[in-house]
Amino acid sequence: DAKTTQPPSMDCAEGRAANLPCNHSTISGNEYVYWYRQIHSQGPQYIIHGLKNNETNEMASLIITEDRKSSTLILPHATLRDTAVYYCIVRVALTGNQFYFGTGTSLTVIP
Amino acid sequence: GAVVSQHPSRVICKSGTSVKIECRSLDFQATTMFWYRQFPKQSLMLMATSNEGSKATYEQGVEKDKFLINHASLTLSTLTVTSAHPEDSSFYICSAQEGFGNEQFFGPGTRLTVL
Repeated sequence: DAKTTQPPSMDCAEGRAANLPCNHSTISGNEYVYWYRQIHSQGPQYIIHGLKNNETNEMASLIITEDRKSSTLILPHATLRDTAVYYCIVRVALTGNQFYFGTGTSLTVIP
Repeated sequence: GAVVSQHPSRVICKSGTSVKIECRSLDFQATTMFWYRQFPKQSLMLMATSNEGSKATYEQGVEKDKFLINHASLTLSTLTVTSAHPEDSSFYICSAQEGFGNEQFFGPGTRLTVL
């Protein structure tokens, strides 16, 4: 089962930063936080992942709180092509590799 | 980045027939592949995990005799929906992982419609 909760939807103005929150209050010490997004009728696309330190790549930044119970994905300059459903996933370390998707956040970037 | 392909991208079949969906990792060897199903306006639901050369592990509630999974090589896994019925109509997505613990790369999905 998914171990994360996310707001069902968010809007963001084009060119502004999109901050997508995720709650994972029951995360274990060796579980990573992964973010994927899914544009309509396509397969999910990997964005970023982290364990405890903040991470940044060419797509986004991931901010994980010190207690690791929540995180925020930041898209620094949202474009219309960033409109998608964003999934925050905690990787269940005990069973190895499986990803269990929650309901995600539907982000709409508004012109 | 790593590329995963699926074939076909969409298929329409009659009720009672079987449909095979292929999932290929194009530029890496996938020790593990996963199959998901997604109904309209819902999230992805993990169906099964397959490791090359061994039997797939199915999630609770997924019928292994109906959804046959074969992972014969490190670059190919197939999902066969046997005796398909209209309620099997869905978006089927595979993902592949290179090694233990790495991120999964997803295929573009296969839209199955059973008439």
